[in-house]
Amino acid sequence: EVQLVESGGALVQPGGSLRLSCAASGFTFSNHWVNWVRQAPGRGLEWVANIKEDGSVTFYVDSVKGRFTISRDNAKNSLYLQMNSLRVEDTAVYYCARDYGDLWGRGTLVTVSS
Amino acid sequence: QAGLTQPPSVSKGLRQTATLTCTGNSNNVGYEGAAWLQQHQGHPPKLLSYRDNNRPSGISERLSASRSGDTASLTITGLQPEDEADYYCFAWDSGLSAWVFGGGTKLTVL
Repeated sequence: EVQLVESGGALVQPGGSLRLSCAASGFTFSNHWVNWVRQAPGRGLEWVANIKEDGSVTFYVDSVKGRFTISRDNAKNSLYLQMNSLRVEDTAVYYCARDYGDLWGRGTLVTVSS
Repeated sequence: QAGLTQPPSVSKGLRQTATLTCTGNSNNVGYEGAAWLQQHQGHPPKLLSYRDNNRPSGISERLSASRSGDTASLTITGLQPEDEADYYCFAWDSGLSAWVFGGGTKLTVL
């Protein structure tokens, strides 16, 4: 089955760190750009970051630059998001999405609260 | 980062036609066109169209997308109860080197 499955979401204190994972299956992962997109409770979608097929190019939304790092391991068909210096406003469901958003995972919830 | 502009809500009757709009600028919508997502409450988004009017397989022919300059549109004909959802547009912004999203439109089918 063609799918993306996120994991790693948790409750974390402000200033803390968390690493999200996204496992891909059913397609050739290494042929696709992949994205992280988040959605705060009751709010709209916000693109966070993306990474080129071979991992050589990455882009980030301004609000996470210097705090979040996107990476991938094509041998493991996996995408990652290392999140440091977390803020309350980072609280959201984090989705991974392929290319133009033709495939999405079900998301993982990150809650930043003291 | 500036986002795309969508009306917060649109309401139409059953079997009517709804047209949702998404306004950006020459760096995003006017650059490579927009994509459209549908999201039902509690579910992940679903791609409806990309780069203006490319429709993934399995998407109803009642949906069509278009673009005029820096404004993209999604038209849904013959509205059904299952069309009631949130609709988001997004586009690559060549100036920001980032994806930018609209704030979303809540479509209500009366």
